[in-house]
Amino acid sequence: DVKVTQSSRYLVKRTGEKVFLECVQDMDHENMFWYRQDPGLGLRLIYFSYDVKMKEKGDIPEGYSVSREKKERFSLILESASTNQTSMYLCASSFFLAGGRRKTGGYTFGSGTRLTVV
Amino acid sequence: KQEVTQIPAALSVPEGENLVLNCSFTDSAIYNLQWFRQDPGKGLTSLLLIQSSQREQTSGRLNASLDKSSGRSTLYIAASQPGDSATYLCAVRRTGGGNKLTFGTGTQLKVEL
Repeated sequence: DVKVTQSSRYLVKRTGEKVFLECVQDMDHENMFWYRQDPGLGLRLIYFSYDVKMKEKGDIPEGYSVSREKKERFSLILESASTNQTSMYLCASSFFLAGGRRKTGGYTFGSGTRLTVV
Repeated sequence: KQEVTQIPAALSVPEGENLVLNCSFTDSAIYNLQWFRQDPGKGLTSLLLIQSSQREQTSGRLNASLDKSSGRSTLYIAASQPGDSATYLCAVRRTGGGNKLTFGTGTQLKVEL
């Protein structure tokens, strides 16, 4: 019954590497999100996407990029990994709510990827 | 800017107690409010979703209420069990700002035998 799948539970990467975190959802959701979670800082939004090939910056986009080539898949890219990007990364999806259409449905989260950059 | 606060930040109770977790938000212009549970090192699991037009939602031993006008929600857990030990997060989905969630600070719950 898994609905949002993150490709890796744990990753260890070296400083300077290009890192790809993958997220796939099977609920036909328009919205997809990438968060990072750090102790004492809570969840912070990195990037989100309302539709295929569209993306918008969240609160902390620096050092990250994203790709959404298909509706079900949203990738987070660390262009050149640094130690301060060591964190728990969480992907989520939801329906798009607008003007009375689809006023139901919450967020569904994946199980997270613990990334360590050494 | 929407701000979401959860009180208390941490709570330790003996097994069997009924307990209440609190969530407050500053902007009442919301679509819905969602309560999540997070176990250590894991993702978020949705517990309850309350639409802005609703007053409460129930699932098993959990009951969540929403008072949008006062900017408050409570999560009531009946007959707590050690397996309820986790961090509980509330999040509001605002009507503007692109369907994004604003998360609360979380309540870390420990239920002891």
